This record gives sequence, C-alpha cells and structure tokens, in this order.
Amino acid sequence: DTGVSQDPRHKITKRGQNVTFRCDPISEHNRLYWYRQTLGQGPEFLTYFQNEAQLEKSRLLSDRFSAERPKGSFSTLEIQRTEQGDSAMYLCASSGSGLSYEQYFGPGTRLTVT
Amino acid sequence: QKEVEQDPGPLSVPEGAIVSLNCTYSNSAFQYFMWYRQYSRKGPELLMYTYSSGNKEDGRFTAQVDKSSKYISLFIRDSQPSDSATYLCAALNRDDKIIFGKGTRLHILP
Repeated sequence: DTGVSQDPRHKITKRGQNVTFRCDPISEHNRLYWYRQTLGQGPEFLTYFQNEAQLEKSRLLSDRFSAERPKGSFSTLEIQRTEQGDSAMYLCASSGSGLSYEQYFGPGTRLTVT
Repeated sequence: QKEVEQDPGPLSVPEGAIVSLNCTYSNSAFQYFMWYRQYSRKGPELLMYTYSSGNKEDGRFTAQVDKSSKYISLFIRDSQPSDSATYLCAALNRDDKIIFGKGTRLHILP
C-alpha cells in the first residue's frame, strides 16, 4: 500500500497525559499536512511541512502541540498535557510541491481524552 | 460567516437517482475547488478537483464551479448504496491551505 499511513488508529488517554502520533506520507510527496476534525465538522488545518521545514502553524495549534518532520519523510504530532477538548480525529495528508489542491489523506488517528 | 458553507444534510435519495450536492464560498480569490468523500471513521478521499469556473467529469461524478455566484456543485449519476458517505467540498486559499465545508451526509436508499 503506497498511500498515507497513520499510527495509532485509536488512542485513549487520560487528561494530562502526553500523546504522540505518527504519519508516513506518500513517498514521493514533499509536503505533509496535519488537520483536526471534530464530529460534524470538516477538517481544520493545523500545520504543514515542505520537506523538513515547518512552514505554517494555525492559531488552533496551541503551545501544547508540536509537530516535527526530522528527515523530510515521516512526521510526528505531539500533544502535551492533553485536555478533553483535544478529543478529535487527527488527520495527516500529503501532496507534491505546488500541488496543494491534490492532497491525499491518511485514515486518521482518533484521540479520546477521558 | 465561514469561508465555505455546506448544508450538513442528511440527504436521502433512492438508488439510481441523480444526486446534487452544493456549497457556497465567500472568498473570490479561491481558484481551486475540491470534493472529498469520507466514509464513517475513515480519512477523506479526494474525488476530484477543478480549477476556476467550469465542469469536470469523472465517471459518474461531475463537479461544477460557478465563480460568478460562488457556487460549487457535485452531481452523482446512477447513485449506488456504496455512495453513501459524507461529501466535503473544499477550496484552496492563497496560503495553500484547504478550507473545508462541514460536509453533507448522503444516504442512498436501496
């Protein structure tokens, strides 16, 4: 399978714990995006990378959130001191450079904070 | 006002009918428009994208953009139960970020 993959698919954590999600993009894509989706809403942009450079972060991304793409391949999204409001689906997408309209999404990581 | 507005539905139609899904947008600078299909608890799947105004067809799916009225449409011909999903319209802004609508839940009744 050469699509975007995400791990884990589901994560249940207690409030205050830290969690980390991983995304592996389509191999030839140099752009990688993170989105958050809550029930009944469309995905909302969080941040994106061009290769290893993080080019933009949304105001939705509080200081508790950090994303990395150390070698321009896979990316991680970490949430520190989780809150119940962080419960959502976290989606990763990738695209070729200059093809941001053609983003391909992974299956998502569903986070539940209890 | 959200930049991309979409009726959440649900929309129920009988199998074989033509489905019409619609969105409006507010930013006249948008140039690329996309439709994604999302099955329950899955990631969105890109169906098609269009540039500026006009029509684009792919099998049973036709996307239509009217920039003069800021209206985006997706038509599905010969609808099948497997088309039951949430359909997300979206537009690409000048910062290369996709702005999504809330999605319309579609049910095709066998």
